[in-house]
Amino acid sequence: DVKVTQSSRYLVKRTGEKVFLECVQDMDHENMFWYRQDPGLGLRLIYFSYDVKMKEKGDIPEGYSVSREKKERFSLILESASTNQTSMYLCASSPRLGSQETQYFGPGTRLLVL
Amino acid sequence: DAKTTQPPSMDCAEGRAANLPCNHSTISGNEYVYWYRQIHSQGPQYIIHGLKNNETNEMASLIITEDRKSSTLILPHATLRDTAVYYCIVREYSGGGADGLTFGKGTHLIIQP
Repeated sequence: DVKVTQSSRYLVKRTGEKVFLECVQDMDHENMFWYRQDPGLGLRLIYFSYDVKMKEKGDIPEGYSVSREKKERFSLILESASTNQTSMYLCASSPRLGSQETQYFGPGTRLLVL
Repeated sequence: DAKTTQPPSMDCAEGRAANLPCNHSTISGNEYVYWYRQIHSQGPQYIIHGLKNNETNEMASLIITEDRKSSTLILPHATLRDTAVYYCIVREYSGGGADGLTFGKGTHLIIQP
C-alpha cells in the first residue's frame, strides 16, 4: 500500500515566520508534488519534482520554495508566511512509469497564518 | 476543469450501487479518464482510470462509452464511508513526466443510511 505522510495535520503560524512542511513517501516514487487547495479555487500546483535535487515551478510558485535532497522526501518552504497562504496543503507522489502517473496523496496539512 | 462535466451532487442509499456520471465530449484519443475522490478534510484518493475498455478494481468499476464521450463510475455496494466529493478528470499520458492534476468541482455523493 502506498503511503504518503505529511509532518503535521494542523499548523498555526504568525505572519513573517518561516514555515517548513515535510512530505515523505515510502514507494520509491520519482515524482513528488505540492498543491494547495482552497474553497472555490480547487487544487492548484505549487511545485513538483521529478528526481532528487530537481524541481519545477507549478502554477502558483510565488512565495514558496522546495527542497528534494532525498528521493523519499519533498519539503515545501514558506520563507515569510503571509495570511494569504492560509490553506490546505497537499503532497502527492507518483511513479514515473508504469501506471499512467496515478498520484497518491497525503492527508493534508491545514495551515493557518495569523 | 472545463474538459469534464459532472452533476454537483447525488444521493444514494447505503448498500445500493452508486452510479456517478461524467461527460467528456471533447476527449482526445490519447487522453485517459481518471477518477479520484476526497473525503472531507482528507487528501484526494485515486480510485480508477481507463482509456477505452471498461475497468474494475477492488474499489469500483469504470464504464466508458464506445465513443468515449462519457463514462460512469460505479461503486457496487455503497457504504456511509463512500460519502465524498468524486472528481472525474481527463489527462494525456505525459510519457513519464510529472504533470499536476486539475480537479473541477466534482460530484458530492451522499450515502444515506
